[in-house]
Amino acid sequence: GENVEQHPSTLSVQEGDSAVIKCTYSDSASNYFPWYKQELGKRPQLIIDIRSNVGEKKDQRIAVTLNKTAKHFSLHITETQPEDSAVYFCAPLGEYGNKLVFGAGTILRVKS
Amino acid sequence: NAGVMQNPRHLVRRRGQEARLRCSPMKGHSHVYWYRQLPEEGLKFMVYLQKENIIDESGMPKERFSAEFPKEGPSILRIQQVVRGDSAAYFCASSPTGVEQYFGPGTRLTVT
Repeated sequence: GENVEQHPSTLSVQEGDSAVIKCTYSDSASNYFPWYKQELGKRPQLIIDIRSNVGEKKDQRIAVTLNKTAKHFSLHITETQPEDSAVYFCAPLGEYGNKLVFGAGTILRVKS
Repeated sequence: NAGVMQNPRHLVRRRGQEARLRCSPMKGHSHVYWYRQLPEEGLKFMVYLQKENIIDESGMPKERFSAEFPKEGPSILRIQQVVRGDSAAYFCASSPTGVEQYFGPGTRLTVT
């Protein structure tokens, strides 16, 4: 099955700085790469996604970059704000496209 | 367009009882997924259903767990004879296409 790893597991940044979280995956057939944000006690919220025919996608302060050859994709958050503090999960669509395979999560803390 | 709905939001069961978790997908979404999240972990896929059909149940425990998505009404995840290890947050997601998935608020099951 798909093996998904996220780094780092925790990340602390100062408000206004940038944050980058990297996700590596093993299934070369994966073709859909989303990032989810989960606040404590809340639902995972889809914040950005990318398909395998695109290398980069941006939506205001967040962006995702994909390197299909190296099998990794990254979440970039610029001008971080305290409300960006949450757990972020990558979840490539794996094995026949039937399920998201979640990484272990990255705890992002934005200090004001 | 209302989001994915789940009920109950919190469920307490004694060991040996049955738990029934309900999920109503977003309007127009025919793909439904169930995931389980243990404390401080990522989500783990359980089952993928389309109307009246189980597409992939590779993440479901072989015993005590079952899922359905009838022609009319919500999807149901049923856990028979619950044990303490079943305590977790159970999230349902729906998709219009079988790719991007939108999550409900979850049902937090506590087994005493």
